[in-house]
Amino acid sequence: EVQLLESGGGLAQPGGSLRLSCAASGFTFSSYAMTWVRQAPGKGLEWVSGIVGSGTTTYYADSVKGRFTISRDNSKNTLYLEMNSLRAGDTAVYFCAKGTHSDYPRAHDYWGQGTLVTVSS
Amino acid sequence: SYVLTQPPSLSVAPGQTARMTCGGNNIGIKSVHWYQLKPGQAPVLVIYYDRDRPSRIPERFSGSKSGNTATLTISRVEAGDEADYYCRVWDSSSDHVVFGGGTKLTVL
Repeated sequence: EVQLLESGGGLAQPGGSLRLSCAASGFTFSSYAMTWVRQAPGKGLEWVSGIVGSGTTTYYADSVKGRFTISRDNSKNTLYLEMNSLRAGDTAVYFCAKGTHSDYPRAHDYWGQGTLVTVSS
Repeated sequence: SYVLTQPPSLSVAPGQTARMTCGGNNIGIKSVHWYQLKPGQAPVLVIYYDRDRPSRIPERFSGSKSGNTATLTISRVEAGDEADYYCRVWDSSSDHVVFGGGTKLTVL
């Protein structure tokens, strides 16, 4: 059974940093692209970043480019999102999602339950 | 930047058919995926590549595309279908995933 478990969310100050993790199980992690998507309170889904299965190519939304870094450790079956220079507008539930293939972009066939990031002083 | 337009809400009685649209320029040449999102739950892929349905999704869910509009259709709507539905494409000009604003489906 495919499982994705996000962690690392919490309260951060404006300008601060957080690192999110997504522990994957139930599939060959390195064979699939992965994605971070967020949902701000009362808002819709917003794509944040994606990474191919090998980790060699990454993609970022304009709103986070230069501040967030996506990475993966295929030996640990874990996806990461390093978030720096956090802003109030980054407050959201962050979901990780599995792609249907190793390349990007593909549909996201499994999602985690999400982790809440709150940016506030 | 590429924009996908979805009506914000749709209300349907149980047993009826819900048709949710997703409009975008040249959407006909893009692959459209649809996701269901219920409060406090993980999003669920309900239709991928315009009209394919994951095995765990009921046959009542179907997808289609015509012109500049993609449509998610739910036949014989049930109370459990009440959720927000989002369409999604890839914008190759910017290398960005783009989500529509979502349609809130209310089952009366």
